[in-house]
Amino acid sequence: AQRVTQPEKLLSVFKGAPVELKCNYSYSGSPELFWYVQYSRQRLQLLLRHISRESIKGFTADLNKGETSFHLKKPFAQEEDSAMYYCALDSGAGSYQLTFGKGTKLSVIP
Amino acid sequence: GAGVSQSPRYKVAKRGQDVALRCDPISGHVSLFWYQQALGQGPEFLTYFQNEAQLDKSGLPSDRFFAERPEGSVSTLKIQRTQQEDSAVYLCASSPGMGQGVYGYTFGSGTRLTVV
Repeated sequence: AQRVTQPEKLLSVFKGAPVELKCNYSYSGSPELFWYVQYSRQRLQLLLRHISRESIKGFTADLNKGETSFHLKKPFAQEEDSAMYYCALDSGAGSYQLTFGKGTKLSVIP
Repeated sequence: GAGVSQSPRYKVAKRGQDVALRCDPISGHVSLFWYQQALGQGPEFLTYFQNEAQLDKSGLPSDRFFAERPEGSVSTLKIQRTQQEDSAVYLCASSPGMGQGVYGYTFGSGTRLTVV
């Protein structure tokens, strides 16, 4: 069975500091990995996915199959980055369901 | 509508009561999902519809949970004889095709169910 682990419940950084939100996964196949974000009083929304290899709002994430990790990074945190971040995995087995981690709350201190 | 609409926004149920939660996806969206999010947890998959067909219900925690999407649009999640452990936010998500596509799933605001 697949599993997604986000070891930090809360991460606080100062504005302008680098950010790294950790995500490790457990799955024997070739999963698709995603980061979803939920800003205060807003709905859960897709931030980025590993296959697109995009940078969204300055965030990037690289899939490391050897370490089974998909950490989310941003070189300079902004106050508007404060939100709840969820790492998610799609096993690609055909049902399209996502397995989510428990989430990390990012707080950017002005 | 402009997004995925869920109702009611909040529901308080007495233990043992039946509840029905509604999801109105974006018009024309093929895929529809239900997720359960307990306090302090990430969303957990409950069930998946492709149009009116329920293709995966492996996440439903017990036979007290039942979901339907009879005409391939609006979906209802029904919970019979609610228990305290059913207290959670129930999220509905949809997408235009199979899988997430380019923009990911569009989530609703959720229904917060509290069983007392």
